[in-house]
Amino acid sequence: AQSVTQLDSQVPVFEEAPVELRCNYSSSVSVYLFWYVQYPNQGLQLLLKYLSGSTLVKGINGFEAEFNKSQTSFHLRKPSVHISDTAEYFCAVSGIDKLIFGTGTLLAVQP
Amino acid sequence: GAVVSQHPSWVICKSGTSVKIECRSLDFQATTMFWYRQFPKQSLMLMATSNEGSKATYEQGVEKDKFLINHASLTLSTLTVTSAHPEDSSFYICSAPRGGLADTQYFGPGTRLTVL
Repeated sequence: AQSVTQLDSQVPVFEEAPVELRCNYSSSVSVYLFWYVQYPNQGLQLLLKYLSGSTLVKGINGFEAEFNKSQTSFHLRKPSVHISDTAEYFCAVSGIDKLIFGTGTLLAVQP
Repeated sequence: GAVVSQHPSWVICKSGTSVKIECRSLDFQATTMFWYRQFPKQSLMLMATSNEGSKATYEQGVEKDKFLINHASLTLSTLTVTSAHPEDSSFYICSAPRGGLADTQYFGPGTRLTVL
């Protein structure tokens, strides 16, 4: 069975500072990994995904993530955050027939 | 990119009434759609998988008689909350994968249900 762990429920950071949101997964088979962003009272928007190939994946809004098979991690990074990046971020792994989500990390960007 | 819509975006109803939420894939066909429920400040919990032309598959602990799902066409799935009660108040989100199940899922904007 697959599972996803997001250890940080909230990450406060100042504007223009770098940020890393952590995601670890467990799976006995090959996985596809995703990061989604959710703004208040909205659905989820795909930031980026890893299906295969290069382990460094670039997404929208300047985000990137690196798939690390040995550490079973898929951490999300951005070198310089903006106030508008304040949102809930969800890591997800695709199971056999559904997506499995982590508990989410609130990125709180402060001026 | 692919777009998934939901209607209504919010609804307030009295306890005991039924509420129908629609989920549409606007520019692609979806033989499968997913329904999630999200409580405030929590993650998405998969409720059921909607299958076009067949019965929905419900996750453990989800009452199929309370949350009726109908996948009437390749672009439309509906979730009906029957005899709604205040504890059913939540944010309901649908999604549809474009391509295979392992491919990217596109999410609707969500429906906020408040039961008084």
